[in-house]
Amino acid sequence: AQSVTQLDSQVPVFEEAPVELRCNYSSSVSVYLFWYVQYPNQGLQLLLKYLSGSTLVKGINGFEAEFNKSQTSFHLRKPSVHISDTAEYFCAVRRTSYDKVIFGPGTSLSVIP
Amino acid sequence: DTAVSQTPKYLVTQMGNDKSIKCEQNLGHDTMYWYKQDSKKFLKIMFSYNNKELIINETVPNRFSPKSPDKAHLNLHINSLELGDSAVYFCASSHSGGDYEQYFGPGTRLTVT
Repeated sequence: AQSVTQLDSQVPVFEEAPVELRCNYSSSVSVYLFWYVQYPNQGLQLLLKYLSGSTLVKGINGFEAEFNKSQTSFHLRKPSVHISDTAEYFCAVRRTSYDKVIFGPGTSLSVIP
Repeated sequence: DTAVSQTPKYLVTQMGNDKSIKCEQNLGHDTMYWYKQDSKKFLKIMFSYNNKELIINETVPNRFSPKSPDKAHLNLHINSLELGDSAVYFCASSHSGGDYEQYFGPGTRLTVT
């Protein structure tokens, strides 16, 4: 069975500082990996995804993530955060196009002015 | 134009009542989903339909019954509401043969008193 772990439930960071949100997954087969963001009182929207190819994936709003197969990780990074990045971030995994998406428990990013 | 819309946005009702949540997408997608997000932000899939056919049915009480009249609509009917049903319910859609991105609606906050 697949599972997704996000080790940090809350990450406070000062504005313009870098941030890394950690994600590890477990699966016996190849997977597709995603990061979604949920702003307060809104639905989720896709930040970036890894399907195949280059292990460094760039997404919207200056975020990027690196897929590490040996460590089964897909950590999200941003070199300089803004107040507007304050949100809940979810890592997710799925095996095939008809399989369900498994979401991690989420990391709440709080950007401090 | 809203890509994935849900009605109502808020729903407050008493235990034992029956209620429905409606979802519509105008993205031309062939797959739709219902997710439940609890008070700790944990997101779990409930159902998924592809071309009006149920393809994912998680361990959900049979008081919950999804209905997909066509590819653009997926409704959720809940019978005999319980306190534990209080949550935010998200509808999402995607293209099964595409880039696997799911587009989420704004959510319906259900409060059972």
